[in-house]
Amino acid sequence: GAGVSQSPSNKVTEKGKDVELRCDPISGHTALYWYRQSLGQGLEFLIYFQGNSAPDKSGLPSDRFSAERTGGSVSTLTIQRTQQEDSAVYLCASSLVSQALGSYNSPLHFGNGTRLTVT
Amino acid sequence: GQQVMQIPQYQHVQEGEDFTTYCNSSTTLSNIQWYKQRPGGHPVFLIQLVKSGEVKKQKRLTFQFGEAKKNSSLHITATQTTDVGTYFCAEPTRANNLFFGTGTRLTVIP
Repeated sequence: GAGVSQSPSNKVTEKGKDVELRCDPISGHTALYWYRQSLGQGLEFLIYFQGNSAPDKSGLPSDRFSAERTGGSVSTLTIQRTQQEDSAVYLCASSLVSQALGSYNSPLHFGNGTRLTVT
Repeated sequence: GQQVMQIPQYQHVQEGEDFTTYCNSSTTLSNIQWYKQRPGGHPVFLIQLVKSGEVKKQKRLTFQFGEAKKNSSLHITATQTTDVGTYFCAEPTRANNLFFGTGTRLTVIP
């Protein structure tokens, strides 16, 4: 089926404005992840949704960042009062199962990301 | 907290030369995953290693998991220009989250 879909692919916003980034995971995938990648850098973990459990929000850099996942499917990452340092590619990923099968973890499938530019 | 150290950060090789990237964890891992990100693209899963001392091959790529399950390596034999990209290792947490290493950016000079 279709892969992970993210929208918009590009977003330019003025400093201080709020933005919403959307992620449509692969159908049936119960785990959903958000990462941030600054230019030429690694993947910074933001938040992780695992089935019906409370999300792991430990990676969110400030209280301006929040995310929700409605109905166990689509997720929205919201950044309030954007700052220039928020400029990055925001990557969403999903995986098939949320629980490890013994020592095995389901691999992540990534979307193409949303490139956010804060001017 | 969990730290994933990956070296080197950058590697430039002539086409046909070999390449190796190393990943070291501060904790004993249940498994380790490797991903490749082409320039302008998103990370794509390559492989997962689970067993102590495990070695897996994919054509010219050889993946190893250390005996103590704290380190891993990816070796590419006779690099080609299609190997260009950033290679990330990733390690799971007990909560099944996934933390990525800092990555090694490979440049292949034709």
